[in-house]
Amino acid sequence: KAGVTQTPRYLIKTRGQQVTLSCSPISGHRSVSWYQQTPGQGLQFLFEYFSETQRNKGNFPGRFSGRQFSNSRSEMNVSTLELGDSALYLCASSLVGERNTIYFGEGSWLTVV
Amino acid sequence: SQQGEEDPQALSIQEGENATMNCSYKTSINNLQWYRQNSGRGLVHLILIRSNEREKHSGRLRVTLDTSKKSSSLLITASRAADTASYFCATTLGSYIPTFGRGTSLIVHP
Repeated sequence: KAGVTQTPRYLIKTRGQQVTLSCSPISGHRSVSWYQQTPGQGLQFLFEYFSETQRNKGNFPGRFSGRQFSNSRSEMNVSTLELGDSALYLCASSLVGERNTIYFGEGSWLTVV
Repeated sequence: SQQGEEDPQALSIQEGENATMNCSYKTSINNLQWYRQNSGRGLVHLILIRSNEREKHSGRLRVTLDTSKKSSSLLITASRAADTASYFCATTLGSYIPTFGRGTSLIVHP
């Protein structure tokens, strides 16, 4: 079974631009969550989606948004990029009845210059 | 904000030695999990221990949980160079979304 797939793996953006990251969960997984990882803050929860609805949201500004499609694929968007948004963005998926255990993708490395 | 805090932040050992990492947390939990992350990669789930369990084994991994002290430990026996990675504990509360600590960076020298 294929794992969680994230695209793109690496990208460089300029301050003020926006970026969209994509995540395809493990087949059969309907819950998708996103995390931001930086050296200073560690792993920070961004949001979780289930059945195309945002179920939980972390403490991030409104510039960070996401959505989930009917096939459980998810995207997250960051608008008006700031230097501090440079991070590894990780997507994870889980089964509906096993939300405690999440399976991560390889992540998308975003560098804002 | 982090729920779990791993200790030590960094650990350097020789191949064949045991590695012990600790995790402390602040509130009640449903369960606690340990994940491994190789440099620049995603996290890999290692083991889950429920709040009513005290010890769990998986291969060379041994996890203990002391809910009275709000702490857990991960022991890796007979470490190998391939165990070099960062190790994170993650706790889950009612929302079921795991909350991660900052991790312990383990280096195993061949």
